[in-house]
Order: sequence, then structure tokens, then C-alpha cells
Amino acid sequence: EVKLVESGGGLVQPGRSLKLSCAASGFNFNDYWMGWVRQAPGKGLEWIGEINKDSSTINYTPSLKDKFTISRDNAQNTLYLQMSKLGSEDTAIYYCASRPSRYMAYWGQGTLVTVSS
Amino acid sequence: DVVMTQTPVSLPVSLGGQASISCRSSQSLVHSNGNTYLHWYLQKPGQSPQLLIYRVSNRFSGVPDRFSGSGSGTDFTLKISRVEPEDLGDYYCLQSTHFPFTFGSGTKLEIK
Repeated sequence: EVKLVESGGGLVQPGRSLKLSCAASGFNFNDYWMGWVRQAPGKGLEWIGEINKDSSTINYTPSLKDKFTISRDNAQNTLYLQMSKLGSEDTAIYYCASRPSRYMAYWGQGTLVTVSS
Repeated sequence: DVVMTQTPVSLPVSLGGQASISCRSSQSLVHSNGNTYLHWYLQKPGQSPQLLIYRVSNRFSGVPDRFSGSGSGTDFTLKISRVEPEDLGDYYCLQSTHFPFTFGSGTKLEIK
């Protein structure tokens, strides 16, 4: 069974940084692109970016490229999202997802990030 | 960025009835490799999104055949026949032909 478990969310002050993790199991993590999507409270879905199998290709939505960094550790079956200079507009549930073929297939349950003083 | 216009915003349906959701893109979603990367997701209340349809018309694993996708170019449709209570929630289209990938704004399927 494919399982994706995000962690690392919580309350963070404006301007600070936070690093999210996504632990994968039930599939060969090394063989899949992975991605991040977020959802602000009561709003729709926003694609953040994606990373290929060996981390040689990383794509971001342009508005987040200077603030967010996606990485992965294939030995640990873990995907990461490093977020910096956080503002209230970054308050959202953050989802990781497996990307078998240019679409997000399986999603985690999400982790809530709240940016507030 | 490609703008995905999803209609209607809200869709009241009767159980056992049929629902149709439209998704229109601001530019063609035909990739240079010939594929069309338009997908559909359902987000049930309090849950993460789940994939229903990928590449316009392919049902994902375990998705009942009550769900069907169609369309081409810039105009796409998701149809749900014989609506069941478990189908209620927010539906989103996603285009992954052009970077950055973009979602529609969502359609809430609710009981009439």
C-alpha cells in the first residue's frame, strides 16, 4: 500500500523558515518523481513544484522559486520542502504526492503550516 | 500561466442522478509529445485530494466506471453518472502540459 506521511508543520513566526518532510513507503521511491501542493484554508489547490528521481531536475511555480526548495533523500525514502521568509500568505495545508507520469497520483494527508506572530 | 476555468462553482445533484463539470484552459493542453495532460481530482470533506482521471479519459486504479472524462484541446468535461453519497466533495481539474502546473478553482458537488 502506498503511504505518504507529511510532518514538520506547525506555528511559525513571519519571516522565519520551516522544513517539511514526507516519508514514503509501499512503493519504490527511487523510481518516482515527487511533488508538493498546498491549500490555503477554505481555498483551492496550488502546485508548488516537483523533483525528479535523482534530483537533477526540480521545477517550481515561479512565485515560490526564491522562497521554497525541494529536495529528496532516496536512501531515506523521504521528500523535503524547505520554506524560507514565510508570510501569512503561506499559511496552508501542504501535501506531498507521488508523480508517476506527469500527474500527482497518491497524496499524503497533509501537514498544516500556520504563519502568525 | 495557463488559467483553468472550471464551471459550475457549485453543482447540486440528486442521488442517482448525473453531474457534469467543465474545465476550460486558456491555451491548448496538447503537449509537443502529442499527449494531453488534463487530470481530475476529488477532495472529499476533510481529506486529501484523490486522483480520478488522468490524461483526459483514463480512470485511475479503483475508480468506478461511473466517472468518465472527455475533451480535447482547451475544453474538457468530467461526467459522473448515478451519483452516490461518497461522490460528494470538491472536484478539481489540473493541467500539467505547461509549467507551472495549474489547477481549476474547483466545483463543489452537493446534494440537491
